[in-house]
Amino acid sequence: GQNIDQPTEMTATEGAIVQINCTYQTSGFNGLFWYQQHAGEAPTFLSYNVLDGLEEKGRFSSFLSRSKGYSYLLLKELQMKDSASYLCAATDSNYQLIWGAGTKLIIKP
Amino acid sequence: GAVVSQHPSRVICKSGTSVKIECRSLDFQATTMFWYRQFPKQSLMLMATSNEGSKATYEQGVEKDKFLINHASLTLSTLTVTSAHPEDSSFYICSARDPGWGNIQYFGAGTRLSVL
Repeated sequence: GQNIDQPTEMTATEGAIVQINCTYQTSGFNGLFWYQQHAGEAPTFLSYNVLDGLEEKGRFSSFLSRSKGYSYLLLKELQMKDSASYLCAATDSNYQLIWGAGTKLIIKP
Repeated sequence: GAVVSQHPSRVICKSGTSVKIECRSLDFQATTMFWYRQFPKQSLMLMATSNEGSKATYEQGVEKDKFLINHASLTLSTLTVTSAHPEDSSFYICSARDPGWGNIQYFGAGTRLSVL
């Protein structure tokens, strides 16, 4: 079956770095997405990885290892506004998005 | 990123009425759009995939006669919740798939439906 695993909740300190891991199993693979969702709001697109390696975009970076079925989202210089749920999703051979349940990130001062 | 507009943002209606939600891709053509529902503190749940010019594909357990989807153009999909009841109260979110690099789904801002 198709499956996405990510931690349910993580806590980090303002100004620190946090890494949110995601493992996936899909029928075929056409890319890995990360979205941010603040409470009561719709998800917003953060990153897309289809090749192995690290993609850096400001304070946020996303990594992919296709051979390991593994990705992580790295958030640096954490700010209070980064408190949100982070959703990992992978596309299968039909470009169907398989969603993880999301990781709720709590930032403490 | 691309822009997806969703209206209305909030609806309060009486039980038994129908509610129509619009989803528009503003700067790209989307042959495929998606409708999700999310209950408080729960994960996104895909309701249906909307394909331009053809019938929508509904996920298991979603009543197609209750949640009518129309995707009449490359930039507009609508979801109509027919004969709404209090248990239909939820956060409904649409997304549109940009056919460019990555087939990225961009989300509308969501519609919060409250049925009295």
